[in-house]
Amino acid sequence: DAGVIQSPRHEVTEMGQEVTLRCKPISGHDYLFWYRQTMMRGLELLIYFNNNVPIDDSGMPEDRFSAKMPNASFSTLKIQPSEPRDSAVYFCASKEGGAPGELFFGEGSRLTVL
Amino acid sequence: QQQVKQSPQSLIVQKGGISIINCAYENTAFDYFPWYQQFPGKGPALLIAIRPDVSEKKEGRFTISFNKSAKQFSLHIMDSQPGDSATYFCAASRVDRDDKIIFGKGTRLHILP
Repeated sequence: DAGVIQSPRHEVTEMGQEVTLRCKPISGHDYLFWYRQTMMRGLELLIYFNNNVPIDDSGMPEDRFSAKMPNASFSTLKIQPSEPRDSAVYFCASKEGGAPGELFFGEGSRLTVL
Repeated sequence: QQQVKQSPQSLIVQKGGISIINCAYENTAFDYFPWYQQFPGKGPALLIAIRPDVSEKKEGRFTISFNKSAKQFSLHIMDSQPGDSATYFCAASRVDRDDKIIFGKGTRLHILP
């Protein structure tokens, strides 16, 4: 398996623009997580899905953030409108059910909002 | 209750020395404690994990020590090597919930050659 695949790897945009980050989880994994990493706050859980259904979105910063998982092999995280404070590395991770703690991370999408 | 507190924030160790990273948690319902290793430009990857029914787990040069009564656990890297230079995250989760994993803020480890 190719692992968790994220795109784009780097995104530079201007404040107010819409940003869409994409993730393909490992085939057969039941759970998909979106994390945000910054120096100040570390790894923050934004939202996670189980069998394509959002389970907990309490970490989503505000209404500007939304996430979808239309099928088992694809998820998106959208920021609209983007702000400079959204600049961070966004990670997608997946895991099998029944395997606590064994997350497989993608290589991340580094977002810079000017 | 959901926090995992990790220290130090950064650590510099001489090659061949022992690197020690500490974590503490509040929620006694947590029963699975993994450590992740992250190299620059990469996502975190599982390094080693422990359940609270054991006080220590060793894999090669990496050892987790667990103190259930103190709600603390630590990662020890013996004979630290420059290739161990990375960011290390402790984490906690609940086996029965099989869901979200709570991460510490990370420790940036640098091993001097």
